[in-house]
Amino acid sequence: EAQVTQNPRYLITVTGKKLTVTCSQNMNHEYMSWYRQDPGLGLRQIYYSMNVEVTDKGDVPEGYKVSRKEKRNFPLILESPSPNQTSLYFCASRITDTQYFGPGTRLTVL
Amino acid sequence: GEDVEQSLFLSVREGDSSVINCTYTDSSSTYLYWYKQEPGAGLQLLTYIFSNMDMKQDQRLTVLLNKKDKHLSLRIADTQTGDSAIYFCAEILNRDDKIIFGKGTRLHILP
Repeated sequence: EAQVTQNPRYLITVTGKKLTVTCSQNMNHEYMSWYRQDPGLGLRQIYYSMNVEVTDKGDVPEGYKVSRKEKRNFPLILESPSPNQTSLYFCASRITDTQYFGPGTRLTVL
Repeated sequence: GEDVEQSLFLSVREGDSSVINCTYTDSSSTYLYWYKQEPGAGLQLLTYIFSNMDMKQDQRLTVLLNKKDKHLSLRIADTQTGDSAIYFCAEILNRDDKIIFGKGTRLHILP
C-alpha cells in the first residue's frame, strides 16, 4: 500500500531535549516536505527536499533541521526544542500533481 | 507575496449544498487542490484541478476555477454529517514548485 509513515505519532518532551521525527515513504517520490499545523495558521511549510541530498527552507525553518540521505526517508530534527514548537507536524511526499500526507505527529514541548 | 485565502467557518444544513471558496495569488499556478482533514486525522486529497480547466466534477464534488479572478471553489452536493471537517485549499507555485495552503475552512453540518 502506498503510504507515508511518521514516528512517533505523539510525543511529549521538555525544552532543550533533542528529538527526531522520522518520515518514510514507499512510493519512490523525489519531493518530500514537512509542515506544521497550528490553529488559525493552517499549514506552514518547514523544509522541503526535491531529491536526495537537496534540501531547502520553507516558510518557517527556524529551530528545525532535516536531512535527505536516501530517497525514502526525510527526518525532522529539533536540536533544542522550545514550547513554541508545540504543534501538529505532517510529512508529505509528492509526485507531479499528487501530494500524500503522513498521519501527523502531535508534539508537545514543556 | 504568495497567499491563499479562505473563510474560516461555514455552517450548512444537512442535505443542502456547501460551497467553500478560496482565492489565490499566483496566476501561474499549475495545480490547485482541495484537501479534507477530519478531526484527529491527517490530510486527505479530495480533488484537484489543472489550471487549464474551468470545472471538474467528481460524484458529489464540483470544483470551479476562475483564473481571471484567481478564485477556486468547492461545492459539496447533498452535504452529509460525514462531510464535517476542515477543508484546505492549496496551490502549487509554478516558479519553485512549492505548495501553499490556505488556513482551512471548518465545515459544520447543522441537523
